Amino acid sequence: EVQLVESGGGLVQPGGSLRLSCAASGFTFSNYWMSWVRQAPGKGLEWVANIKQDGSEKYYVDSVKGRFTISRDNAKNSLYLQMNSLRAEDTAVYYCGREFDSRGYGEFDYWGQGTLVTVSS
Amino acid sequence: SYELTQPPSVSVSPGQTANITCSGDKLGDKYACWYQQKPGQSPVLVIYQDIKRPSGIPERFSGSNSGNTATLTISGTQALDEADYYCQAWDSSVVFGGGTKLTVL
Repeated sequence: EVQLVESGGGLVQPGGSLRLSCAASGFTFSNYWMSWVRQAPGKGLEWVANIKQDGSEKYYVDSVKGRFTISRDNAKNSLYLQMNSLRAEDTAVYYCGREFDSRGYGEFDYWGQGTLVTVSS
Repeated sequence: SYELTQPPSVSVSPGQTANITCSGDKLGDKYACWYQQKPGQSPVLVIYQDIKRPSGIPERFSGSNSGNTATLTISGTQALDEADYYCQAWDSSVVFGGGTKLTVL
């Protein structure tokens, strides 16, 4: 059974940092692009970043470029999101998603349960 | 940047057909997919590559994509289909539509 389990969310002050993790199981993690997608309270889905199977390509939404870093450890079947210089507008539930499409075009066939990040003083 | 536009809300009577649209420039030249999200739950992929249904998704869900519009069609809509629906495509990056709240009344 495919499982994605996020962790690392919490309350952080503006300007602070947080590292999210996503533990994958039930499939060959190294075969898939992976993404982070967020959802602000009461709002829609917003793609944040994705990473190629071997980590050689990474892409970000403009609003997080230079502040967030996506990475993965295929030996540990884990995906990460390092978030620095956090702002109030980064407050959201962060989901990790497995990309069905092998080209990094999205089409997320599995999602985690999400982890809430709250940026507030 | 590329934008996908969805109506904020769609209403349908039980047993009727619901059509949810997603508009974007030359969207028909790209693959579109659709997600269903119920309150407090993670999204679920219901249509991918315009017209394909993942295993476990009921046959009443179907999709189409042509010109500038992709459409999610739910035939014989049931109360349990009430949810938010999001379209998604790729144009230099992954893009989501703003979402449509489907009400079954």
